[in-house]
Amino acid sequence: QKEVEQDPGPLSVPEGAIVSLNCTYSNSAFQYFMWYRQYSRKGPELLMYTYSSGNKEDGRFTAQVDKSSKYISLFIRDSQPSDSATYLCAISTQGGSEKLVFGKGTKLTVNP
Amino acid sequence: GAVVSQHPSWVICKSGTSVKIECRSLDFQATTMFWYRQFPKQSLMLMATSNEGSKATYEQGVEKDKFLINHASLTLSTLTVTSAHPEDSSFYICSASMNSYEQYFGPGTRLTVT
Repeated sequence: QKEVEQDPGPLSVPEGAIVSLNCTYSNSAFQYFMWYRQYSRKGPELLMYTYSSGNKEDGRFTAQVDKSSKYISLFIRDSQPSDSATYLCAISTQGGSEKLVFGKGTKLTVNP
Repeated sequence: GAVVSQHPSWVICKSGTSVKIECRSLDFQATTMFWYRQFPKQSLMLMATSNEGSKATYEQGVEKDKFLINHASLTLSTLTVTSAHPEDSSFYICSASMNSYEQYFGPGTRLTVT
């Protein structure tokens, strides 16, 4: 079983839609959860960082963590064409500055 | 702030030659740098972790004699792919950390070995 599983998609939605991206992980030792956005041929950019169960909101983005189910989600409200990118979940046992284990990434396209 | 650069952004080399990729933290001192490899439609896979002034820690399955990492200063780490082969063609990305909760990623280097 892989340490983190992420549906690679691709996912295509109309502009304005609510997008839900998800990852599951297998090891309860993972305590830190991040979502990165990666545009084609670019390095990842940190979107959200959280270490506790529950929701964390930042503008149109909401990160959700359920440690009991080992399930993390990223919701994007009012999606825009500029949100089109690959979204990667990343998890760590010791914090975001330590070794990260990445999901495979979900390719999202938001159609105008 | 927290900008990481990589050079070159892309490189083509012949099989059997060596290639050096630089990773620089431009506006902060990075105590730890990480090197990742990403194949098409695959996720980032950590290759090694390096701390300034000490030997890099390689992940299982990564050949340390093939992928030489040097972290000579708090703003510069280099990855040298020695005796490159076509299967080494990939997207190499570095990240840098200054003991905060975040890793700052570089823009990546696309290596093609012919």
